[in-house]
Amino acid sequence: EDQVTQSPEALRLQEGESSSLNCSYTVSGLRGLFWYRQDPGKGPEFLFTLYSAGEEKEKERLKATLTKKESFLHITAPKPEDSATYLCAVRSGGGADGLTFGKGTHLIIQP
Amino acid sequence: DAGVTQSPTHLIKTRGQQVTLRCSPISGHKSVSWYQQVLGQGPQFIFQYYEKEERGRGNFPDRFSARQFPNYSSELNVNALLLGDSALYLCASSSGTADQPQHFGDGTRLSIL
Repeated sequence: EDQVTQSPEALRLQEGESSSLNCSYTVSGLRGLFWYRQDPGKGPEFLFTLYSAGEEKEKERLKATLTKKESFLHITAPKPEDSATYLCAVRSGGGADGLTFGKGTHLIIQP
Repeated sequence: DAGVTQSPTHLIKTRGQQVTLRCSPISGHKSVSWYQQVLGQGPQFIFQYYEKEERGRGNFPDRFSARQFPNYSSELNVNALLLGDSALYLCASSSGTADQPQHFGDGTRLSIL
């Protein structure tokens, strides 16, 4: 059974204070690791897909990296508008394309 | 281009009732998936449909069913509602080609009294 564990559950940072969110996973045959951002009352918004260990993706102040056991979402010099819940999900081998999500990291950036 | 649209946005039902939720995928997307998100948790996979065929099913009881129409829109049906079915129900669409990301709608908030 696929499992995704995210840490920390919650993180409070000052504006401009860089940090990293962790996503540890166990999966039989990784077909993709996905990062999403979710704002209150909204659906998850797609950020990145990573497919193989060593891969990195960047978008504005966010950078996602992948190893064989975990992924990191690095946030550089965050702004208050980066406050959200960040979700990590995996898609494993097999016919179905359903994603297995972690519980998310609730990030608050204080001005 | 319009994103994934879901209706209704909010719904209140009582125990034992039945509910139908609707989803229209992004134009050109042929795959639709349904997820349940309980407060404080990540989304949990319910169903996936591709070209009107069920492609995958999560660990949910038979009270949950779904279908996909020729225009690729989809419905999720839940029978004999329980208090524990209260959640945000999310629909996601993708092109259906290998390993493309799923894009989510803003969901239907279902409350069971």
